[in-house]
Amino acid sequence: EAGVAQSPRYKIIEKRQSVAFWCNPISGHATLYWYQQILGQGPKLLIQFQNNGVVDDSQLPKDRFSAERLKGVDSTLKIQPAKLEDSAVYLCASSKQQTYGYTFGSGTRLTVV
Amino acid sequence: GESVGLHLPTLSVQEGDNSIINCAYSNSASDYFIWYKQESGKGPQFIIDIRSNMDKRQGQRVTVLLNKTVKHLSLQIAATQPGDSAVYFCAETGSSGGSNYKLTFGKGTLLTVNP
Repeated sequence: EAGVAQSPRYKIIEKRQSVAFWCNPISGHATLYWYQQILGQGPKLLIQFQNNGVVDDSQLPKDRFSAERLKGVDSTLKIQPAKLEDSAVYLCASSKQQTYGYTFGSGTRLTVV
Repeated sequence: GESVGLHLPTLSVQEGDNSIINCAYSNSASDYFIWYKQESGKGPQFIIDIRSNMDKRQGQRVTVLLNKTVKHLSLQIAATQPGDSAVYFCAETGSSGGSNYKLTFGKGTLLTVNP
Protein backbone atom coordinates (compact mmCIF):
# COMPACT_ATOMS: atom_id res chain seq x y z
CA GLU A 1 0.00 0.00 0.00
CA ALA A 2 1.47 3.34 -1.05
CA GLY A 3 1.69 5.94 1.68
CA VAL A 4 0.43 9.49 1.88
CA ALA A 5 2.30 11.58 -0.70
CA GLN A 6 3.11 15.23 -0.10
CA SER A 7 4.92 17.82 -2.17
CA PRO A 8 7.06 19.78 -2.14
CA ARG A 9 9.28 18.45 0.65
CA TYR A 10 10.79 21.87 1.33
CA LYS A 11 9.79 25.43 0.50
CA ILE A 12 11.41 28.76 1.34
CA ILE A 13 9.45 31.94 0.66
CA GLU A 14 9.53 35.54 1.72
CA LYS A 15 6.86 36.93 4.01
CA ARG A 16 3.75 38.16 2.25
CA GLN A 17 4.28 35.67 -0.61
CA SER A 18 1.90 32.83 -1.38
CA VAL A 19 2.55 29.12 -1.16
CA ALA A 20 0.61 25.93 -1.83
CA PHE A 21 1.09 22.38 -0.61
CA TRP A 22 -0.28 19.25 -2.18
CA CYS A 23 -1.35 15.96 -0.63
CA ASN A 24 -2.40 12.67 -2.19
CA PRO A 25 -3.88 10.36 0.45
CA ILE A 26 -3.85 6.58 0.48
CA SER A 27 -6.22 5.21 -2.13
CA GLY A 28 -9.69 4.68 -0.71
CA HIS A 29 -9.16 6.83 2.37
CA ALA A 30 -12.18 9.08 2.74
CA THR A 31 -10.88 11.24 5.57
CA LEU A 32 -8.01 13.66 5.07
CA TYR A 33 -6.35 15.94 7.64
CA TRP A 34 -3.91 18.82 7.45
CA TYR A 35 -1.76 19.43 10.53
CA GLN A 36 0.72 22.19 11.31
CA GLN A 37 3.79 21.23 13.33
CA ILE A 38 5.91 24.07 14.64
CA LEU A 39 9.45 23.12 15.61
CA GLY A 40 9.56 21.51 19.04
CA GLN A 41 5.80 21.06 19.28
CA GLY A 42 3.24 18.40 18.52
CA PRO A 43 1.13 18.58 15.38
CA LYS A 44 -1.96 20.82 15.53
CA LEU A 45 -5.01 20.09 13.39
CA LEU A 46 -5.80 22.76 10.80
CA ILE A 47 -8.60 21.13 8.82
CA GLN A 48 -10.35 17.80 8.40
CA PHE A 49 -12.15 16.62 5.27
CA GLN A 50 -14.59 13.76 4.88
CA ASN A 51 -14.59 13.04 1.13
CA ASN A 52 -14.80 16.57 -0.33
CA GLY A 53 -16.63 18.14 2.61
CA VAL A 54 -15.08 20.03 5.53
CA VAL A 55 -15.71 18.38 8.92
CA ASP A 56 -13.65 20.70 11.11
CA ASP A 57 -11.75 23.87 10.23
CA SER A 58 -12.08 25.59 13.59
CA GLN A 59 -8.32 26.05 13.98
CA LEU A 60 -7.61 27.16 10.41
CA PRO A 61 -6.62 30.86 10.20
CA LYS A 62 -9.12 31.58 7.49
CA ASP A 63 -7.87 35.08 6.79
CA ARG A 64 -4.76 33.62 5.19
CA PHE A 65 -5.15 29.84 4.98
CA SER A 66 -7.41 27.93 2.63
CA ALA A 67 -7.76 24.28 1.72
CA GLU A 68 -9.75 22.29 -0.76
CA ARG A 69 -10.40 18.70 -1.71
CA LEU A 70 -12.53 19.14 -4.79
CA LYS A 71 -12.87 15.54 -5.99
CA GLY A 72 -12.59 13.90 -2.61
CA VAL A 73 -9.13 12.58 -3.35
CA ASP A 74 -6.08 14.85 -3.30
CA SER A 75 -6.00 18.13 -1.47
CA THR A 76 -4.19 21.46 -1.52
CA LEU A 77 -3.45 23.81 1.36
CA LYS A 78 -2.66 27.43 0.55
CA ILE A 79 -1.25 30.29 2.55
CA GLN A 80 -1.68 33.82 1.27
CA PRO A 81 0.02 35.98 2.43
CA ALA A 82 2.56 34.09 4.50
CA LYS A 83 3.86 35.36 7.83
CA LEU A 84 7.07 34.50 9.64
CA GLU A 85 5.13 32.50 12.23
CA ASP A 86 3.84 30.18 9.49
CA SER A 87 7.26 28.54 9.37
CA ALA A 88 6.51 24.93 10.24
CA VAL A 89 6.11 21.44 8.85
CA TYR A 90 2.71 20.89 7.25
CA LEU A 91 1.60 17.29 7.61
CA CYS A 92 -1.15 15.56 5.70
CA ALA A 93 -2.78 12.42 7.08
CA SER A 94 -5.56 10.15 5.87
CA SER A 95 -7.76 7.38 7.20
CA LYS A 96 -10.37 5.02 5.74
CA GLN A 97 -13.25 6.51 7.66
CA GLN A 98 -13.44 8.89 10.57
CA THR A 99 -11.54 6.37 12.66
CA TYR A 100 -8.37 6.59 14.62
CA GLY A 101 -6.21 4.83 12.04
CA TYR A 102 -4.31 7.82 10.69
CA THR A 103 -1.38 7.49 8.28
CA PHE A 104 0.81 10.57 8.03
CA GLY A 105 2.84 11.79 5.08
CA SER A 106 6.41 13.02 5.50
CA GLY A 107 5.31 16.64 5.44
CA THR A 108 6.35 19.86 3.74
CA ARG A 109 8.83 21.99 5.64
CA LEU A 110 8.01 25.68 5.08
CA THR A 111 10.45 28.43 5.97
CA VAL A 112 9.21 32.02 5.75
CA VAL A 113 11.99 34.63 5.72
CA GLY B 1 -8.56 24.60 26.69
CA GLU B 2 -7.86 20.91 27.07
CA SER B 3 -4.28 19.87 26.58
CA VAL B 4 -1.94 16.95 26.56
CA GLY B 5 1.59 17.39 27.87
CA LEU B 6 4.75 15.47 28.60
CA HIS B 7 6.76 15.49 31.81
CA LEU B 8 10.22 15.11 30.29
CA PRO B 9 11.28 16.82 27.09
CA THR B 10 14.42 14.67 26.64
CA LEU B 11 15.42 11.17 27.63
CA SER B 12 18.81 9.56 27.10
CA VAL B 13 19.28 5.82 27.64
CA GLN B 14 21.86 3.15 26.95
CA GLU B 15 21.23 0.56 24.29
CA GLY B 16 19.55 -2.45 25.83
CA ASP B 17 18.01 -0.54 28.71
CA ASN B 18 14.28 -0.06 29.13
CA SER B 19 12.81 3.39 28.40
CA ILE B 20 9.79 5.01 29.98
CA ILE B 21 8.18 8.07 28.44
CA ASN B 22 5.44 9.84 30.37
CA CYS B 23 2.47 11.93 29.37
CA ALA B 24 -0.16 13.83 31.34
CA TYR B 25 -3.54 14.75 29.93
CA SER B 26 -6.12 17.14 31.29
CA ASN B 27 -9.33 16.15 29.52
CA SER B 28 -11.13 13.65 31.74
CA ALA B 29 -13.50 12.90 28.85
CA SER B 30 -10.68 11.55 26.67
CA ASP B 31 -11.42 7.97 25.71
CA TYR B 32 -8.66 7.01 23.33
CA PHE B 33 -4.92 7.52 23.43
CA ILE B 34 -2.19 6.89 20.91
CA TRP B 35 1.59 6.95 21.04
CA TYR B 36 3.40 8.11 17.91
CA LYS B 37 7.07 7.95 16.97
CA GLN B 38 8.49 10.68 14.75
CA GLU B 39 11.92 10.34 13.21
CA SER B 40 13.72 13.32 11.74
CA GLY B 41 12.21 14.40 8.44
CA LYS B 42 9.29 11.99 8.67
CA GLY B 43 5.67 12.15 9.70
CA PRO B 44 4.43 10.62 12.97
CA GLN B 45 4.21 6.83 12.93
CA PHE B 46 1.65 4.91 14.97
CA ILE B 47 3.18 2.78 17.73
CA ILE B 48 0.40 1.63 20.04
CA ASP B 49 -2.99 2.75 21.26
CA ILE B 50 -5.19 2.22 24.30
CA ARG B 51 -8.82 2.91 25.11
CA SER B 52 -10.02 4.33 28.39
CA ASN B 53 -11.61 1.04 29.45
CA MET B 54 -8.14 -0.53 29.64
CA ASP B 55 -5.20 0.00 31.99
CA LYS B 56 -2.48 -1.70 30.01
CA ARG B 57 -1.80 -2.83 26.49
CA GLN B 58 1.25 -4.60 25.13
CA GLY B 59 2.78 -4.68 21.70
CA GLN B 60 6.09 -5.81 20.35
CA ARG B 61 8.68 -4.43 22.82
CA VAL B 62 6.26 -1.64 23.80
CA THR B 63 3.71 -1.35 26.58
CA VAL B 64 1.30 1.49 27.24
CA LEU B 65 -0.07 2.10 30.72
CA LEU B 66 -3.06 4.29 31.43
CA ASN B 67 -3.89 5.67 34.88
CA LYS B 68 -7.21 7.44 34.60
CA THR B 69 -7.22 8.43 38.25
CA VAL B 70 -4.29 10.78 37.80
CA LYS B 71 -4.74 11.25 34.04
CA HIS B 72 -1.36 9.81 33.21
CA LEU B 73 -0.13 7.78 30.27
CA SER B 74 3.22 6.10 29.81
CA LEU B 75 5.06 4.29 27.05
CA GLN B 76 7.55 1.62 28.00
CA ILE B 77 10.08 0.41 25.43
CA ALA B 78 11.92 -2.78 26.31
CA ALA B 79 15.53 -3.37 25.29
CA THR B 80 15.81 0.03 23.65
CA GLN B 81 17.71 0.04 20.36
CA PRO B 82 19.45 2.84 18.44
CA GLY B 83 16.59 2.72 15.92
CA ASP B 84 14.23 3.77 18.69
CA SER B 85 15.86 7.22 18.79
CA ALA B 86 13.12 9.68 17.82
CA VAL B 87 10.59 12.10 19.24
CA TYR B 88 7.64 10.37 20.88
CA PHE B 89 4.22 12.02 21.10
CA CYS B 90 1.15 11.03 22.99
CA ALA B 91 -2.17 12.02 21.47
CA GLU B 92 -5.73 11.89 22.72
CA THR B 93 -9.19 12.33 21.36
CA GLY B 94 -10.84 15.42 22.73
CA SER B 95 -14.49 15.70 23.67
CA SER B 96 -15.48 17.21 20.33
CA GLY B 97 -18.41 14.86 20.05
CA GLY B 98 -20.02 13.42 16.96
CA SER B 99 -17.78 11.50 14.62
CA ASN B 100 -14.97 14.02 14.45
CA TYR B 101 -11.96 11.99 15.54
CA LYS B 102 -9.63 14.92 16.10
CA LEU B 103 -6.37 14.03 17.79
CA THR B 104 -4.74 16.46 20.22
CA PHE B 105 -0.99 15.96 20.44
CA GLY B 106 1.36 16.64 23.31
CA LYS B 107 4.65 18.47 22.93
CA GLY B 108 6.88 15.41 22.54
CA THR B 109 9.83 13.70 24.21
CA LEU B 110 13.14 13.29 22.43
CA LEU B 111 14.54 9.82 23.09
CA THR B 112 18.24 9.33 22.43
CA VAL B 113 19.69 5.83 22.58
CA ASN B 114 23.42 5.66 23.19
CA PRO B 115 25.27 2.64 21.78
